[in-house]
Amino acid sequence: TQLLEQSPQFLSIQEGENLTVYCNSSSVFSSLQWYRQEPGEGPVLLVTVVTGGEVKKLKRLTFQFGDARKDSSLHITAAQPGDTGLYLCAASGGSNYKLTFGKGTLLTVNP
Amino acid sequence: DAGITQSPRYKITETGRQVTLMCHQTWSHSYMFWYRQDLGHGLRLIYYSAAADITDKGEVPDGYVVSRSKTENFPLTLESATRSQTSVYFCASRFTGGDYGYTFGSGTRLTVV
Repeated sequence: TQLLEQSPQFLSIQEGENLTVYCNSSSVFSSLQWYRQEPGEGPVLLVTVVTGGEVKKLKRLTFQFGDARKDSSLHITAAQPGDTGLYLCAASGGSNYKLTFGKGTLLTVNP
Repeated sequence: DAGITQSPRYKITETGRQVTLMCHQTWSHSYMFWYRQDLGHGLRLIYYSAAADITDKGEVPDGYVVSRSKTENFPLTLESATRSQTSVYFCASRFTGGDYGYTFGSGTRLTVV
């Protein structure tokens, strides 16, 4: 069973600040996904990264997949209260598209 | 409405009772999944299905039963509910192939008293 370690577990920042959250493992992944979950809802896919070293941008969010495909980071520029939520990374190392999820980073952006 | 729908949204049941959580998707996705989400454990896979009549165990299947007679439905049954099964349950689906992500339902919050 693959383990995905996310850090930090909790993050509380002021509006306008930048932040980075991390997802690490000892396993190599074929792809890695990031989801955001808001209270009372299911996770929503933000991005999928596939190639080692890949960088994807989604407005103020920048996602990076490590060169060795064992780790990933999510950087948010100028955070806004609407970015508040639980950020989850997930990876699949085998068949049947089963995803293993990290425990998440709970981000709170204060106005 | 298109999408993935879970019902009920909230359920309180007594220890020992059987309870079924429903999941319905309108995209004809082949793959469907059931996860439970608990503080300290994150999302853990209970069961998944690759197609109608094909199901398999995930990480925490004990005490649960699934069926998939139709592509669009994937009910999860707790045969004899226990307090440790108090959790938020999420159903998800995805296309076959490619690097698609999961589409999740809004979840069912189950409390076993």
